[in-house]
Amino acid sequence: EPEVTQTPSHQVTQMGQEVILRCVPISNHLYFYWYRQILGQKVEFLVSFYNNEISEKSEIFDDQFSVERPDGSNFTLKIRSTKLEDSAMYFCASSDPAHWGYGYTFGSGTRLTVV
Amino acid sequence: LAKTTQPISMDSYEGQEVNITCSHNNIATNDYITWYQQFPSQGPRFIIQGYKTKVTNEVASLFIPADRKSSTLSLPRVSLSDTAVYYCLVGDMLSNFGNEKLTFGTGTRLTIIP
Repeated sequence: EPEVTQTPSHQVTQMGQEVILRCVPISNHLYFYWYRQILGQKVEFLVSFYNNEISEKSEIFDDQFSVERPDGSNFTLKIRSTKLEDSAMYFCASSDPAHWGYGYTFGSGTRLTVV
Repeated sequence: LAKTTQPISMDSYEGQEVNITCSHNNIATNDYITWYQQFPSQGPRFIIQGYKTKVTNEVASLFIPADRKSSTLSLPRVSLSDTAVYYCLVGDMLSNFGNEKLTFGTGTRLTIIP
C-alpha cells in the first residue's frame, strides 16, 4: 500500500531557529496538505497545496510558515522562527481527486519540540 | 459544514462488534461522511466514506439512515489493535475535492479490553 513518508520522525530545535519538515507524498497524488496536532488536542488544518501553489491556509499558517515542492517528489513545511507553541506533531497528507471515496493519506508525522 | 457529535469514549471486549454513532443534525444535501482512525503518535488513517445507506469495505461498515442526521461506524469482531481514536467528519461534495480541509473534532476514544 502506498505511503506518505515524513522525515525526520522527531526534531528538537531551539526557539527562534528555522526548521524544515519534509514529506514525500504518494507519487500520483495531486493535492498535498500539512496538519498539526498539539499534544492532547485536535488535529488542525494548516495548508493545502495544488499545482505548485497554496490552495487554502488556516489562521495558524502565518508569515512564519511556508511550504514548497522543490522537486517532483518532496513537499516541505518551513517554520522560519520557531516558538514554544509550535511544539506539536506535524502531519503531511496527500490525496488524489480522481479517487473520491478513498480519503486522504496521512504520514506518520514529525514530532517537533521547541525548547 | 455540519457539526458532528460523537461519544467521548467507548470500551468493548475483544471479539465484539463495535458501533460508534455520530450525530450530524445539520448535514446538508451536498455533504458526505468520512471516518478516520488515529493511533497514538500516528497520523489519521482513512477508514470509510459514504453519502447514504450502507457502505462496506474490508475493515468496516458505515450505516447512514435515510434522514442522514447520523451515521454509525461498525467494526466487526474487534481486536486489541483496534484501540484508537475514531473521528467522524462531514465534507462538502461540491467543494473542489482535494482542495478541502478536513475538520477534526475530538473523536471517540475506543478501548478494547482483552
